[in-house]
Amino acid sequence: QSVLTQPPSVSGAPWQRVTISCTGSSSNLGAGYDVHWYQQLPGTAPKLLIYGNNNRPSGVPDRFSGSKSGTSASLAITGLQAEDEADYYCQSYDTGLSGSEVFGGGTRVTVL
Amino acid sequence: QVTLRESGPALVRPTQTLTLTCTFSGFSLNTDGMCVSWIRQPPGKALEWLARIDWDDDKYYTPSLKTRLTISKDTAKNHVVLTMTNMDPVDTATYYCARTPRGNGIDYWGQGTLVTVSS
Repeated sequence: QSVLTQPPSVSGAPWQRVTISCTGSSSNLGAGYDVHWYQQLPGTAPKLLIYGNNNRPSGVPDRFSGSKSGTSASLAITGLQAEDEADYYCQSYDTGLSGSEVFGGGTRVTVL
Repeated sequence: QVTLRESGPALVRPTQTLTLTCTFSGFSLNTDGMCVSWIRQPPGKALEWLARIDWDDDKYYTPSLKTRLTISKDTAKNHVVLTMTNMDPVDTATYYCARTPRGNGIDYWGQGTLVTVSS
């Protein structure tokens, strides 16, 4: 069980907007630590999608956006496309025990 | 161009020690704020962060595995080494090393190496 909770799956039709939540607590997101998001296509290494809550690395389409408020964060995909079908992970820092980076449990996005 | 590549045994026996090497290029671990992390992913499961070593040689470990993990670096060779003791079949996973500039997420990943623990 990760300290960052994500829904196991979300789905949407092409061109729809989907959002993925990442729920934390006062020991991670609520403590002000940034959240980062990764996309993992089948059989490949993860790719950085959003860093520092809402920043896109060069080359990431602006269809992807991130936000954070309190103990929660969200990744939004607008204009959903077939190539967006993948697993998505949030990541932050948690001060529990002796403190470490943590990933969420991942969300599978399915394009209907 | 930033690249990272993991190397190590594909098969490890239970109770053995795993040693993985991350060979990187395109950046220096002597640069302020630069770090390298290890992450693993069991087949069909989620990512799990394992350890990180920073430019100033600070080291961080996931609490649940802290007693079994050691991370080190050789900046002259552009290597980061991860050792995990007392391997168990539940440690079967793809192990990734990744560049981790402080505060900017994990921006470059190796292709990963699958390690199977089996007798």
